[in-house]
This record gives sequence, C-alpha cells and structure tokens, in this order.
Amino acid sequence: NAGVTQTPKFRILKIGQSMTLQCAQDMNHNYMYWYRQDPGMGLKLIYYSVGAGITDKGEVPNGYNVSRSTTEDFPLRLELAAPSQTSVYFCASTKRAQSYNEQFFGPGTRLTVL
Amino acid sequence: DAKTTQPTSMDCAEGRAANLPCNHSTISGNEYVYWYRQIHSQGPQYIIHGLKNNETNEMASLIITEDRKSSTLILPHATLRDTAVYYCIVRREGGGADGLTFGKGTHLIIQP
Repeated sequence: NAGVTQTPKFRILKIGQSMTLQCAQDMNHNYMYWYRQDPGMGLKLIYYSVGAGITDKGEVPNGYNVSRSTTEDFPLRLELAAPSQTSVYFCASTKRAQSYNEQFFGPGTRLTVL
Repeated sequence: DAKTTQPTSMDCAEGRAANLPCNHSTISGNEYVYWYRQIHSQGPQYIIHGLKNNETNEMASLIITEDRKSSTLILPHATLRDTAVYYCIVRREGGGADGLTFGKGTHLIIQP
C-alpha cells in the first residue's frame, strides 16, 4: 500500500489565485482529515469527512472548501489565496472500525502565498 | 479533551533511553493517552497509546502513573533517527471523528 499520498509537495501561489491540494489513500479508510501546520506550532484541523459525500468543518475552515466523491480521494480547495494561508498542509485518514485517534498522515504539501 | 503539558525540548545521548514526560492532570476516566511524533518535514506518526496499564510495542513503552495524571514515553535505545517533535494527546477512545488536537510537543534531540 502507498498509504496516504499528497500532491503537490511544494507550491507557490500569488494572492488571489486558487488551487486544489490532492489527497488520496489506498487503505479503504472511511475517515479523512485535512490539517494545517504553521511554523513552530501544532496541527490544526481544517475539514474532515466520515465517508463519501459527507464533510464537516474543523477548527479553521475559513478560506477552504472540500469534497469527498469517493472513499479514496479528499481534495482541499483554496479559492482566493491569502498570505495567511502560507502553511504546511497534511492529509490523514483512519478506519471507522479502529479508534479515530490512530491516524495515518501523508507527507504534506508546503504552500507559500506571496 | 484534557489538556496536556510537555517540556519544550530535551536532549538525549544516542544509545541511551529517552524519557519524555507529559502532564495531564485533568484527564477523565475514559480518556486515553496517545503519543505521536513528527520527524522534520514529515507528517506525524502514531507511536503508542494506553489507558492505565503500561504499554509496550516495537517503537516505545508508555508508563502511566497510578493516578493517571502524568505519563512517560520511553524510547529504550535512542538513535539519531529518533530526533523529532513528540506530541502527547489525551482523548477518549473513539473520540469522535472530528480530528486530533496537537499542542507544540517536545522537540527531542538525540546527540551523537
């Protein structure tokens, strides 16, 4: 299994541009998550999904959108990029049958907005 | 979820045991202690979790005090690859699907 994969690894955006961060998992996990991590800080939850077609907001959802059309994919959309969205973004997943607290994380996408 | 307190940073010599403390004095009876680590520029990695008994796996051991107000993660023979930020998280089993709360963790530096 590839586990949780994320693309791209790095991206630089100009203010006002939009982009989609891709996340996929091949472990047949029902639950998927998007976190952001600012320098020197812990991770903060942006959005999560408990299955295809179901998403919900986390702690810091403003400026982002998500969709979950399949079990495997959970893309994160930035519509109007702002410098405050400069961060490292991590996607994670876990099985419904297991504890929600044992999450598998992807390698991250480092985003800079100038 | 109960709040946790960890030292900001710690050093340990390579080959020695690394002992990382965590205080969680407001932990509830149905809350578990989880440990994750994050190696530089990578995503967090689950290490171990426990309720009240000591736990051991291939990566580490977890010692929880009898009153459950604190715990210690032990890496028995630290290597340079164990240099990372270690996060202690307290959360009830199941915990809901709404994600984990990460503090700033402890930056463990393994010295050669």
